[in-house]
Amino acid sequence: DAGVTQSPTHLIKTRGQQVTLRCSPKSGHDTVSWYQQALGQGPQFIFQYYEEEERQRGNFPDRFSGHQFPNYSSELNVNALLLGDSALYLCASSHKQGIENSPLHFGNGTRLTVT
Amino acid sequence: QKEVEQNSGPLSVPEGAIASLNCTYSDRGSQSFFWYRQYSGKSPELIMFIYSNGDKEDGRFTAQLNKASQYVSLLIRDSQPSDSATYLCAVGVFSSGGSYIPTFGRGTSLIVHP
Repeated sequence: DAGVTQSPTHLIKTRGQQVTLRCSPKSGHDTVSWYQQALGQGPQFIFQYYEEEERQRGNFPDRFSGHQFPNYSSELNVNALLLGDSALYLCASSHKQGIENSPLHFGNGTRLTVT
Repeated sequence: QKEVEQNSGPLSVPEGAIASLNCTYSDRGSQSFFWYRQYSGKSPELIMFIYSNGDKEDGRFTAQLNKASQYVSLLIRDSQPSDSATYLCAVGVFSSGGSYIPTFGRGTSLIVHP
């Protein structure tokens, strides 16, 4: 049973560039959430996708955008990269059960470094 | 602004002791509570979740929830050096957008020394 997979594992970009991170959810999961985790901090919610729509968004600028595909996989795009975007980007999947979701299961993350 | 507060630590305990990790939250509407373990450089791993007041036990781990005090804790019995990690508390509330979004604390660093 494949867990949550993310690619790439590491990425180095220059300020002003654009980046795309990818995520495949755990088998049986239909909801994908993206989190940003800076060093020494807890994960900060970016947005959540369900049924190919962004359902909720955290306090992140429009430079952060995403997409969910019919197979439930998801992409996170960040435009006009800033030094402060350097962080571990975590994808988490869950399954919507009625009005609630099952607990989040995280992928191994993508370490983004902006120079 | 929903807040989840944890003491950043480090909490240092000897091997075999009980480690007690605490978390408070601000939103009284919070419905679900999770503990994740995160090893350095790795992603968070779900340890336990609890939805109702009281205790929930799973092996060496016990989660305790007190909604009236807005407090959730994690006890680790017979602590092992392999338990050394950062423990993240996450609190979930059903949002107006129809989604269920856990908010994370910054984590408590636990060190179990032999």
